[in-house]
Amino acid sequence: AQSVTQLDSHVSVSEGTPVLLRCNYSSSYSPSLFWYVQHPNKGLQLLLKYTSAATLVKGINGFEAEFKKSETSFHLTKPSAHMSDAAEYFCVVSEWDGGATNKLIFGTGTLLAVQP
Amino acid sequence: EAEVAQSPRYKITEKSQAVAFWCDPISGHATLYWYRQILGQGPELLVQFQDESVVDDSQLPKDRFSAERLKGVDSTLKIQPAELGDSAMYLCASSLRTGGLQELFFGEGSRLTVL
Repeated sequence: AQSVTQLDSHVSVSEGTPVLLRCNYSSSYSPSLFWYVQHPNKGLQLLLKYTSAATLVKGINGFEAEFKKSETSFHLTKPSAHMSDAAEYFCVVSEWDGGATNKLIFGTGTLLAVQP
Repeated sequence: EAEVAQSPRYKITEKSQAVAFWCDPISGHATLYWYRQILGQGPELLVQFQDESVVDDSQLPKDRFSAERLKGVDSTLKIQPAELGDSAMYLCASSLRTGGLQELFFGEGSRLTVL
C-alpha cells in the first residue's frame, strides 16, 4: 500500500522568507504525487503534480516541488512567503490500479503560518 | 470558473438522526468522489463513482452510510443513523475521468456536527 508522511504538522515563517514543507512517500512502484492546498473554509486546490516527465515540478503561486527517488521525498518549496500562503498543505499519492479506481492517499497536512 | 457545488455548508444534528449531503460536480466530469476529513487529519476516500456506477466503496461504512449518483450527474451521501464519531467535513470532488494523474476539483465541503 502507498502512503505519505508529512514531517511537520505546523510550520511558521516570516513574510518574504523561504518556505519548506516536507513530505516522504512510500510506494512499491513509480508514484503519482501531488500537493494540494486548503485555505480556511475552502475546498482543496491542486498546487502541482509529479508526472515523471521532470523531477522539478513548478506549480501555481510560485510553489515548486522536487521528486527525489533516492530519498523517497517530494518536498514543497517557495522562495519567498506571502501572507496569502497561510493555509494547510497536503502531500498526496495516487493509488491507481490502472483501471477505474483512483484513490488519493492524503498526508495528515502541514499548517503554514506566515508572520508579518 | 466552473466549481463543485455542495450543500449544506454546515449541518448540526443529534445522534441517531438522518443527514444527507448533496454534490453537483463540474459539468462533464465523469468521476465523482466523496471524502471525509476528520479535524486534524487528511481527507479519506469514502466512495468513488464512474458515471452512475460505484467503483470503490471499500471504506464506506455501509451499515449507516449510503451514496448514490442515479443519473451520473449529481450525488447524495446519506448517513442514518448519525453517530458522534461522524462529526467531520464531507468533501465532494470530481475529475474529468479516472486515472492516476487526473486533477481532482473539490467543493467547499459540508461540515457535520453530531451532538
